[in-house]
Amino acid sequence: EVQLVQSGAEVKKPGESLSISCKGSGYTFTTYWVGWVRQMPGKGLEWMGIIYPGDSDTRYSPSFQGQVTISADKSISTAYLQWSSLKASDTAMYYCARVSGGSKFLYYYMDVWGKGTTVTVSS
Amino acid sequence: DIVMTQSPDSLAVSLGERASINCKSSQTLLYSTNNKNYLAWYQQKPGQPPKLLIYWASTRESGVPDRFSGSGSGTDFTLTISSLQAEDVAVYYCQQHFFTPHTFGQGTKLDIK
Repeated sequence: EVQLVQSGAEVKKPGESLSISCKGSGYTFTTYWVGWVRQMPGKGLEWMGIIYPGDSDTRYSPSFQGQVTISADKSISTAYLQWSSLKASDTAMYYCARVSGGSKFLYYYMDVWGKGTTVTVSS
Repeated sequence: DIVMTQSPDSLAVSLGERASINCKSSQTLLYSTNNKNYLAWYQQKPGQPPKLLIYWASTRESGVPDRFSGSGSGTDFTLTISSLQAEDVAVYYCQQHFFTPHTFGQGTKLDIK
């Protein structure tokens, strides 16, 4: 069974750093892009960016470029979303999802989703 | 960025009746080389992650009931639920995956009348 298992909820203070994770299983992790999606409280879905774990190539939304870092460790089939200095406005649910396509040059819809990681940033 | 606009923002439909949600993109999502529309639909129930329903505008994901169907081409698309069931109460999103960023529509909240 294809699964993405995300790390647990986080509560942080403004200015702190954070890394949340997404571990894939049941498929060849290195040949599918993995994406991150933000959902702020009571709001819609926002596509943040994607990473190809095979070579860590990334594509960011301009809205999130420079605000977060997407990385991956293919040896442990895990993708990460990182912040160097959190803001209260980063409070949200963050989902990772597998991007269908199955190769470096094909990235389409998101076919398998993790359950989400809640990030709360408050002083 | 491609802008995806859904309509309506919310709707209420009686059980057993048809529900239709529209999605309009600011650019064509039809790739002439393979004649595919790069448009997906997702369902998100309260407290759950999104779930893929439809891809390539009209292909139903495995396990999705056949009362769900997708149609449209180019810039205008529709998700139709032919006979609304109680378990279909959710927010529905369209997403284009033609150009990055793969933008989502703002969502349509579907309730029972």
